[in-house]
Amino acid sequence: GAGVSQSPSNKVTEKGKDVELRCDPISGHTALYWYRQSLGQGLEFLIYFQGNSAPDKSGLPSDRFSAERTGGSVSTLTIQRTQQEDSAVYLCASSLGGGGSDEQYFGPGTRLTVT
Amino acid sequence: SQQGEEDPQALSIQEGENATMNCSYKTSINNLQWYRQNSGRGLVHLILIRSNEREKHSGRLRVTLDTSKKSSSLLITASRAADTASYFCATDARGSNYKLTFGKGTLLTVNP
Repeated sequence: GAGVSQSPSNKVTEKGKDVELRCDPISGHTALYWYRQSLGQGLEFLIYFQGNSAPDKSGLPSDRFSAERTGGSVSTLTIQRTQQEDSAVYLCASSLGGGGSDEQYFGPGTRLTVT
Repeated sequence: SQQGEEDPQALSIQEGENATMNCSYKTSINNLQWYRQNSGRGLVHLILIRSNEREKHSGRLRVTLDTSKKSSSLLITASRAADTASYFCATDARGSNYKLTFGKGTLLTVNP
């Protein structure tokens, strides 16, 4: 079946502009995660959605970052007033349940470049 | 700081050789997972080892876990050029319930 998809695959934007990144998780997966990966670094946790529960936003680096998950499926990560330090690959993952022992399935990522 | 720290940061070997990567972590965990990433894009799950397990095998992969030393190792036997990738360990800390914390990864290059 289809895996996790993300769009766009690449996004170049000017400093100060807003961007929206989209994630389509695997159908039936209740948990959805957003991560950020800077060049040569590991993954930085941003936000976690599980079913209808309130999301864990503890990883969002500033109030310029927000995310929604509509209907328990598609998620959008929005970055307002982008800064150059926001340049990174943004990865979305989903898992069947929300436990830490669940395998996470990753999308191909969105490479964001802020000029 | 990262919960998981892999070493070495980079490893270059010849095809057919074995590759060993290590991961150390700081807090007690429920389980530890290893992922592979090609070309800076999405990660692929390789193997999960639970805190009560000491060793696990999957094909050419062997993972060990030493909870007393808070460390894990990933061994890839008979490496192939296609194994060239970055390898990350991810820990599920006790009490986190769902949050995986990733290390910075080991870049493995397998030369043909």
